[in-house]
Order: sequence, then structure tokens, then C-alpha cells
Amino acid sequence: AQRVTQPEKLLSVFKGAPVELKCNYSYSGSPELFWYVQYSRQRLQLLLRHISRESIKGFTADLNKGETSFHLKKPFAQEEDSAMYYCALSGREYGNKLVFGAGTILRVKS
Amino acid sequence: GAVVSQHPSWVICKSGTSVKIECRSLDFQATTMFWYRQFPKQSLMLMATSNEGSKATYEQGVEKDKFLINHASLTLSTLTVTSAHPEDSSFYICSASRLELGNTGELFFGEGSRLTVL
Repeated sequence: AQRVTQPEKLLSVFKGAPVELKCNYSYSGSPELFWYVQYSRQRLQLLLRHISRESIKGFTADLNKGETSFHLKKPFAQEEDSAMYYCALSGREYGNKLVFGAGTILRVKS
Repeated sequence: GAVVSQHPSWVICKSGTSVKIECRSLDFQATTMFWYRQFPKQSLMLMATSNEGSKATYEQGVEKDKFLINHASLTLSTLTVTSAHPEDSSFYICSASRLELGNTGELFFGEGSRLTVL
């Protein structure tokens, strides 16, 4: 079965501090991992995906198959990063359905 | 590009009535549309996968007779909540994957529809 776990409901950091949003997953095949973000009063949108191996808005995430993790990191948080972040997983073995974690609210304080 | 629009944004109805929510991809064709439900302060729960021209695939525990999904074209999917009850009150979100991208996992989300059943 597919499962995504985000252990923190809320992460509060000061501006300029490093950020790490945790995500662990359970999947029996070859998963694709994503981070989606929802800013206040906006719709959900894709932030990044593991296959792209890119940095978006200073965020990066590395897929660690050994630890089944896909943590989202940013070295220096900005106030505009405050949002709800969802880790998500899909895979061909389950019809490419996207399954979401519970989400983590990131609050960046000035 | 890649805009998904839902209508209505919010709806209030009486218990026992049916409510239809539309999901449209405005500037692209969607192979597949997904319907999610979100309770307050909780994650998105996948309800069903909607493929154009075929029957929707429902997730375990989701009543197909309760939540009717029709995917009439590559740009429109509808969710009808039949004989709505107060426990059906929720935020319903649709998403779509682009035809030319295939099933890459990137989804484009609608703004959501808030249903309140009195």
C-alpha cells in the first residue's frame, strides 16, 4: 500500500534559519515523490519532484530509498515560504494515483 | 497554462438534495481527473479517479452511488453528491493531469468547492 507520513503538523522557524520538513513513505514498488505547496488563499501547486533533482525557490529534496524518506530542505527560510507543505507519492503499481501526507504548516517568523 | 477551475466555489444545500460540482481544465486536455476530499485541518483524501469515457474508479470506502462522477470530455469532470447529508459537508478538490505529460504525477489543482449541508 502507499502511505506518506509527515510527522510534524507545524514547524515554526525564524527568518534566515534552516528548514527541514520531514517526509517518510511506504511503497512496495518504484515511487515518484513530490512536494506540493499551498500558500494562503491559493490553490495547491507543485513545488518539486524527485526525478527533476532541481532546486525551486531555494528548496531541495533528496529521495533516500534506504530510509524511505524525501525530506524538504532550505538553508535560509524566508517569510514568504510560510505555507502548507504536502509530501505526495505516486507509482505505476497503483495506477499513478497521487497520495498525500497529512501536511506540515511552515511558519517563518521575522 | 494548466488552469483547473471548479464551480461552484461554495454551496449550501438542504439535507436530502443533490449537488453537482464541476471541474474543468481550461487550457489543456486532461487524461485523468482526480477528486479529493479534505476535512478541516486534515490532508487530502483521494475519493476517485475519473477517466474520460470510462467509469470512475473509487477508493475503498467511498460510496459510488453517493458520489457520482462523470467525465464527459477531456476538459470536464463532474462530481454529484446525491442525497446529501450534513456529514457530507466538506471541501472537495479536483485535480487533473495533462494529456501531453502523460501520467507523470504532476497534477494541477482546482480552487476547491466547499459544500455545507444543512
